[in-house]
Amino acid sequence: QSALTQPASVSGSPGQSITISCTGTSSDVGGYNYVSWYQQHPGKAPKLMIYDVSDRPSGVSNRFSGSKSGNTASLTISGLQAEDEADYYCSSYTSISTQVFGTGTKVTVL
Amino acid sequence: QLQLQESGPGLVKPSETLSLTCTVSGGSISSSSYYWGWIRQPPGKGLEWIGSIYYSGSTNYRPSLESRVSISVDTSKNQFSVKLSSVSAADTAVYYCARALRLGRYCTNGVCSDRGPWFDPWGQGTLVTVSS
Repeated sequence: QSALTQPASVSGSPGQSITISCTGTSSDVGGYNYVSWYQQHPGKAPKLMIYDVSDRPSGVSNRFSGSKSGNTASLTISGLQAEDEADYYCSSYTSISTQVFGTGTKVTVL
Repeated sequence: QLQLQESGPGLVKPSETLSLTCTVSGGSISSSSYYWGWIRQPPGKGLEWIGSIYYSGSTNYRPSLESRVSISVDTSKNQFSVKLSSVSAADTAVYYCARALRLGRYCTNGVCSDRGPWFDPWGQGTLVTVSS
């Protein structure tokens, strides 16, 4: 069970939009619309930001959006703000009824 | 508001068994819509799913840990636990417990959709160090 592949880092200036990719296989990301995204600030527990590819939990800013094409899911943060600086992880359900996380992406606000 | 809290030893010796408990408050662990999971994060590294359990006792484990891990549930105490045997330094990590939506078809106001596992909320995490 290999981790999903994410870029190690992504950066952007305040107000800009950035996109984080999450690449898996047809046995996980590509096979199910069950991709979720988590934000983690240093020393804190992860926080759910997106579930079922593109749905947002109550209380999460609409600046966060998710999508999927084939075996790759994406998280877009629009109107980047200083508070968005954190680590982001994707996760997917798999064909063997397990969960797999991505390698993680550090977002830096310049 | 549902809350989860991990508890257990912060230091475990190599080759021994790591044991942690997650106490759920503000809701019932016996809900048919959710299951309960353990996730870990080695220092400076990414998240790793360990396994999950349904209130009935049905479990799923990470294949690479399956020979060493056991997750159990105690509905009378609203708790679930993880045991990891034969630990080594590679098992040093922050261990989180979390609630996950059970994969299935859910209907709201007559609108139905397939929804999948996602983890929310999470406990604050507890650091377990494996060292002699």
